[in-house]
Amino acid sequence: TQLLEQSPQFLSIQEGENLTVYCNSSSVFSSLQWYRQEPGEGPVLLVTVVTGGEVKKLKRLTFQFGDARKDSSLHITAAQPGDTGLYLCAGVGYNQGGKLIFGQGTELSVKP
Amino acid sequence: DTAVSQTPKYLVTQMGNDKSIKCEQNLGHDTMYWYKQDSKKFLKIMFSYNNKELIINETVPNRFSPKSPDKAHLNLHINSLELGDSAVYFCASSRTGVLAKNIQYFGAGTRLSVL
Repeated sequence: TQLLEQSPQFLSIQEGENLTVYCNSSSVFSSLQWYRQEPGEGPVLLVTVVTGGEVKKLKRLTFQFGDARKDSSLHITAAQPGDTGLYLCAGVGYNQGGKLIFGQGTELSVKP
Repeated sequence: DTAVSQTPKYLVTQMGNDKSIKCEQNLGHDTMYWYKQDSKKFLKIMFSYNNKELIINETVPNRFSPKSPDKAHLNLHINSLELGDSAVYFCASSRTGVLAKNIQYFGAGTRLSVL
């Protein structure tokens, strides 16, 4: 069974601080996705990383896929209150019928 | 205009009842999913249908029965509801094919409370 360990589970920071969220697995994924979920809504895709070592930037968010495609990180620079939400990583396995394996999620709270 | 819509948004019911949740997508996708999100916000797949055919069935109790009348709809019927079924249920859809990268579009969720 493929698992994704996401950490930290909770993060409360002040506006302007930087933070990093990690997703780790012992399994190799064909790709890895990051979603953001706001209260009362479904997850919304932020980015997909496909190639080992790939780095993608989305404004103040930087996503990295590990060289071995077993781990990923999300770094937010100068966090803002609008970044508050639940961040989820999800891996796409091989021969899994397209099933997404989700990490446990990181609840981020950015205080003004 | 909502891409993936599910109804109802809230469902409060008594233990032992039978209930259904409906999902529709207007994205032209051929694969649809049901996920369960527990109180710790962990999201786990339950079922996946591709062109009305079941392709993923995780170890979900038989009380849960998905039905896909066409590729734009995937409904979830739950028999004999139990307290542990209380959760938020999400419907999602995606295109198949390598280029689609299995990017999934989620509905807003149905919060089920079993009393």
